Amino acid sequence: AQKITQTQPGMFVQEKEAVTLDCTYDTSDPSYGLFWYKQPSSGEMIFLIYQGSYDQQNATEGRYSLNFQKARKSANLVISASQLGDSAMYFCAMREISGGSNYKLTFGKGTLLTVNP
Amino acid sequence: ETGVTQSPTHLIKTRGQQVTLRCSSQSGHNTVSWYQQALGQGPQFIFQYYREEENGRGNFPPRFSGLQFPNYSSELNVNALELDDSALYLCASSSSSGWSYGYTFGSGTRLTVV
Repeated sequence: AQKITQTQPGMFVQEKEAVTLDCTYDTSDPSYGLFWYKQPSSGEMIFLIYQGSYDQQNATEGRYSLNFQKARKSANLVISASQLGDSAMYFCAMREISGGSNYKLTFGKGTLLTVNP
Repeated sequence: ETGVTQSPTHLIKTRGQQVTLRCSSQSGHNTVSWYQQALGQGPQFIFQYYREEENGRGNFPPRFSGLQFPNYSSELNVNALELDDSALYLCASSSSSGWSYGYTFGSGTRLTVV
């Protein structure tokens, strides 16, 4: 079963508007971390934001915020005031802590975001 | 501080050959992981090295092997290359005490097997 599901292969947004990229996850581990990465065409994975399973508040990092709904097992990324430079692939990833698997990230298939001028 | 650097950036190999990819971890990071990213897919975990030992492995055959050196740099070796090994190989480093920030990734090595 897929552990990370990103249902939007591609998304379009107008410059300066907000956009939400969806991510749902599946785990039985009570302790886990959720990450969002941006991958431009250069290939490098750029860390954007992190949410721990026990964090009470939604994470925010500048224009990025994570809409964490634990009961629904969703961790959507919200980008406010989109910029042309935000055009890239975006990956949601999870790190499970217990069971000896606290070292690897499991990634979704990604969402290609295109920001239009 | 320096980030993660990988070499080479691009590589073309023939099926059946062997390849070595290299990675220098970010300053202060003692853990290195390798990921394979096929075209149009998310990265897949290959293995992780900590204190020069492999301490975790994904679903990859033994012909994928690695090393970590005392300065925390790392190599990924792939023997008997197959066409399906064509992918972007990403190296990521982290500190064992700072996992909540995930990993710092390099720009990857794009391997083409013909």
